[in-house]
Amino acid sequence: DTGVSQNPRHKITKRGQNVTFRCDPISEHNRLYWYRQTLGQGPEFLTYFQNEAQLEKSRLLSDRFSAERPKGSFSTLEIQRTEQGDSAMYLCASSSSAVPWGTEAFFGQGTRLTVV
Amino acid sequence: AQKITQTQPGMFVQEKEAVTLDCTYDTSDQSYGLFWYKQPSSGEMIFLIYQGSYDEQNATEGRYSLNFQKARKSANLVISASQLGDSAMYFCAVQPMGGGADGLTFGKGTHLIIQP
Repeated sequence: DTGVSQNPRHKITKRGQNVTFRCDPISEHNRLYWYRQTLGQGPEFLTYFQNEAQLEKSRLLSDRFSAERPKGSFSTLEIQRTEQGDSAMYLCASSSSAVPWGTEAFFGQGTRLTVV
Repeated sequence: AQKITQTQPGMFVQEKEAVTLDCTYDTSDQSYGLFWYKQPSSGEMIFLIYQGSYDEQNATEGRYSLNFQKARKSANLVISASQLGDSAMYFCAVQPMGGGADGLTFGKGTHLIIQP
């Protein structure tokens, strides 16, 4: 296990289509975060899982967005009826509550979504 | 609520010179952590350094040090002896102590370019 893996790396979709992204965290990490990063901005927090429970959702996560983490392993982020404003980099990060806080959250390389 | 302000959109620095990237923060939490991440063109967020709000000594990690001035609410990143490979986006972030449901809040970043 070499790190957080995100698939696909790039996705181009037509407006109105549904898309799903996958994140595979580092295997022993129980915490998983999704962030969205638009051009020229820093990442913005979307949602947080501890094990399989989704404990926090940002107001940025409209009802067109849904995230799951079945069995506390990989996570998926689905966007329904995509809009051009959804075009962004979607980043996943994982960390462990078993180590001292302040050790880094590990980020994946992201999925770049382009809605045309 | 948390907020990060990075006032330098871009910086050009000669190779081997030291560089300081500015970061000021605002948070209502009494205990918090400050983080710096590097984002190369590949997109992955790479953790650089962490400073806890109760840490009295400034954090150091190799060529990176964090100049923490709590009263001024600043957490500047200092890179000594810059290298061409340091060219990237740099993000400052804050998170309430313990992490968990509160994700990282990032600034807009500074684009650092190291010139030979």
